[in-house]
Amino acid sequence: AQKITQTQPGMFVQEKEAVTLDCTYDTSDPSYGLFWYKQPSSGEMIFLIYQGSYDQQNATEGRYSLNFQKARKSANLVISASQLGDSAMYFCAMREGGYSTLTFGKGTMLLVSP
Amino acid sequence: EAGVAQSPRYKIIEKRQSVAFWCNPISGHATLYWYQQILGQGPKLLIQFQNNGVVDDSQLPKDRFSAERLKGVDSTLKIQPAKLEDSAVYLCASSLVGDTDTQYFGPGTRLTVL
Repeated sequence: AQKITQTQPGMFVQEKEAVTLDCTYDTSDPSYGLFWYKQPSSGEMIFLIYQGSYDQQNATEGRYSLNFQKARKSANLVISASQLGDSAMYFCAMREGGYSTLTFGKGTMLLVSP
Repeated sequence: EAGVAQSPRYKIIEKRQSVAFWCNPISGHATLYWYQQILGQGPKLLIQFQNNGVVDDSQLPKDRFSAERLKGVDSTLKIQPAKLEDSAVYLCASSLVGDTDTQYFGPGTRLTVL
């Protein structure tokens, strides 16, 4: 079974609108961390936001927020007020227990139009 | 603070040739990772170093891939001989210690094997 599932190959949004990118995960470890990275066409993976499994509140970083629903094992990324520069691939990743290795999903391509 | 540096950015070789990639992590980061990202997929860990020791190389094809991190700072990943299926982006990442720290990625090396 896949550990990280991103079901949306591509998403389109207009500038200034909000968009939600879906991510579900699978783990039996009670301690884990969830990450979102952005990969523009230049290739670099840019860290966006982190959510720990024991965190009580949803993580937020500027225009990014993580909608963490533990019982449903989902960790959706919400981007508010989309900008043209948000057009990129977005990857959800998980780290389990005491291991630092990240397992990535297949990604979602986001295109923001004027 | 300077980010993770990688070189070269692009490399084109013929199958059965050898190639080497270089990575310099963020200063002070003890943990270094090499990932392989095939087109249309998320990155997959090849090898993880803690200082100059290998922590995880379970997914490294050891018959053709090798990596070293002498002196616990920069690292080299080598492929010898290359196969067509090695065409991918090779990403280097670093983090402060390991299991609790965010990984920061370099710009990657795009390898094309003809």
